[in-house]
Formats: sequence, structure tokens, C-alpha cells
Amino acid sequence: DAKTTQPPSMDCAEGRAANLPCNHSTISGNEYVYWYRQIHSQGPQYIIHGLKNNETNEMASLIITEDRKSSTLILPHATLRDTAVYYCIVRASGGSYIPTFGRGTSLIVHP
Amino acid sequence: DAGVIQSPRHEVTEMGQEVTLRCKPISGHDYLFWYRQTMMRGLELLIYFNNNVPIDDSGMPEDRFSAKMPNASFSTLKIQPSEPRDSAVYFCASSHQMLDSDGYTFGSGTRLTVV
Repeated sequence: DAKTTQPPSMDCAEGRAANLPCNHSTISGNEYVYWYRQIHSQGPQYIIHGLKNNETNEMASLIITEDRKSSTLILPHATLRDTAVYYCIVRASGGSYIPTFGRGTSLIVHP
Repeated sequence: DAGVIQSPRHEVTEMGQEVTLRCKPISGHDYLFWYRQTMMRGLELLIYFNNNVPIDDSGMPEDRFSAKMPNASFSTLKIQPSEPRDSAVYFCASSHQMLDSDGYTFGSGTRLTVV
């Protein structure tokens, strides 16, 4: 199972871009990179996922390196409501592989 | 869609009592997952179902824990007897398939306190 490594905590000024890194050096060819976040007292929420191409949606952008060993989640204009724990996980397509969430990165957005 | 619905939101019980947590997944989702979250261990997968059938319960901590899914719209997680170390937030999640384009959808969780 591919494991992920994230910094335990980061902080960002409101209105600036928040760039959250994730290392997944043992990722295999059929594993997708998923990002979730968990705001205090709520369940985790899906943000975005990708295989090899960069992805963007209304919440964030996902940049995956060419060798797929690492990725970065970008919140282009962080707000106070983006303060949360962000989890980077890898999931295989099909099969019975269930991802583990790990500890994630605690992002604090300050005024 | 109302999302994944869990009840109760909070539960306080005495050690030794039976506790039942409930979950209603999103209609049409084939997979249902039960997770437990504590400060010490983070978010742990306990068990998951596919089409109402338990597939992997290796995360269930011990025989005091049991989970059922009698139909596609309802699942329970039961702890009998409960112990203080079971205090945690229990989340239910569902997805349409193992690789769902929108990922798992989580409920708001049940905060269990065993005194």
C-alpha cells in the first residue's frame, strides 16, 4: 500500500495561496491521489483527486509531479473557513484496497 | 440529497451499557464504511460493506463491536458492553463504488462518551 507523508502543520495568511505538500514516493501506476479535509467537529469532506494530470475544481487545484512521487494541493485564496486538517491519501482503482487517512496537515489560516 | 445521516449526534452512556449507532447512507451508494476517530489513533477504518454484505471487518477492535446492514438504506454499529476507551467520534461514510469520482461522503459523526 502506498503511504503518504505530510507536514503536521502549516499556517497561511487569509487571502494568500495555501500550498499543502504530500509525498507518496511508493505510489503505483493505478493509484489515484485524493485530498480530503476535516473541519473541526465535522466529517471529512472530499476536495479533489487526480491520477497524473493536474486537476482544478471550484475548491482547489492539485499539482502532481511528473514522476507522481509527490503532489501539492493549492487553495488559491485561503479564507478563515479553510482552517482544517487536510488529508492526502492514495487509492487504487477497483479491487478491495481501502485507504488510510493518516494524521494529515493541520492548516491554520490567520487574518 | 440529504447526505449521509448519522444518529445520534451525541451519546453519553455508562460503562457496561449497550450502545447502538445508526447510519443512513446516500441512496444508490453501494459501499458503506464505519470509521472511528480519536486523538491518539486518528481516523481508523472499522468495517465496510458492499451491497449490504460485510467485506472487511479487520479493523473492528474486539468482539464487543458488531456491525450490521440489514438493507441498503440502514446500518448499525453496536458496542456491547461499552467501555471508557470506546469514547470517540464514530463516522459513517458511503460511496457509489470503490473509486468514486467524488470520493467518500461522510456523515457528521456520533460523539460517544462512555463514563
